[in-house]
Amino acid sequence: GNSVTQMEGPVTLSEEAFLTINCTYTATGYPSLFWYVQYPGEGLQLLLKATKADDKGSNKGFEATYRKETTSFHLEKGSVQVSDSAVYFCALPPGGSEKLVFGKGTKLTVNP
Amino acid sequence: GAVVSQHPSWVICKSGTSVKIECRSLDFQATTMFWYRQFPKQSLMLMATSNEGSKATYEQGVEKDKFLINHASLTLSTLTVTSAHPEDSSFYICSAPTGSGVGETQYFGPGTRLLVL
Repeated sequence: GNSVTQMEGPVTLSEEAFLTINCTYTATGYPSLFWYVQYPGEGLQLLLKATKADDKGSNKGFEATYRKETTSFHLEKGSVQVSDSAVYFCALPPGGSEKLVFGKGTKLTVNP
Repeated sequence: GAVVSQHPSWVICKSGTSVKIECRSLDFQATTMFWYRQFPKQSLMLMATSNEGSKATYEQGVEKDKFLINHASLTLSTLTVTSAHPEDSSFYICSAPTGSGVGETQYFGPGTRLLVL
C-alpha cells in the first residue's frame, strides 16, 4: 500500500531561519498529499495539501510541491517564527480508502 | 473550515472502569469518522473506521471488544474504552472527512487525553 517516509527530528531553529522538512512517498498512482500540524496539547490541523502532481500547496507561509519525479512533498518555510513550534506530519491515503497514513512526525522548535 | 469536537478533553479513571469519548462534527455530516491513538512522541495509529449505521472497521491488532465504537448519527461517533487499564492511557483523536471520496481532507478533533490509574 501507499506509504510516507518523513524526516525525523527534532529540528531546532532560530527565529527567521529557513525550514525544510523532508517527506517522500511510495504510492500507486498520484494520491493527494497532505501536511498536518499539531500544536502542543492539541489535535491535528490541516496545514496544506496538493491533489495532483506538480501542484503546490501553501498556507501560513508554508509551501510544499508535489514532485512525482522525486516522489517528494517537502515542507518549506522561508522564515520561521516561534509560533511555528509544533509537530508536523506528512500524510496520504493508503490506497482506495478515505483513511490516512501518517509519517512519524517531525518536532520543530523555534527559539527567539 | 469544518469543525470537529471531542468530549471530554481529558479524563482520569480507575483501572477496570469504562470510559466513553464523543466525537462530533459540528457543521457538517460525516458518514465516516476515524479514531486514532497517539502515544507520547509518536505518530498517529489508526484504530478503526467508524461507519454511520453499520459496524466499525477495526485495524489489525486493535481489540474490537476493548474499544467499542458506535456511530449512531451523521454527526456523532463514540469510542468506549471498556475495562480500562493503565496501558490504555493515551491521547485519542478522532477525525472526519467532509466528503466521501479518497483523498478528502480530514478534520481532526482536539483530542482526548486518557489517564488510567
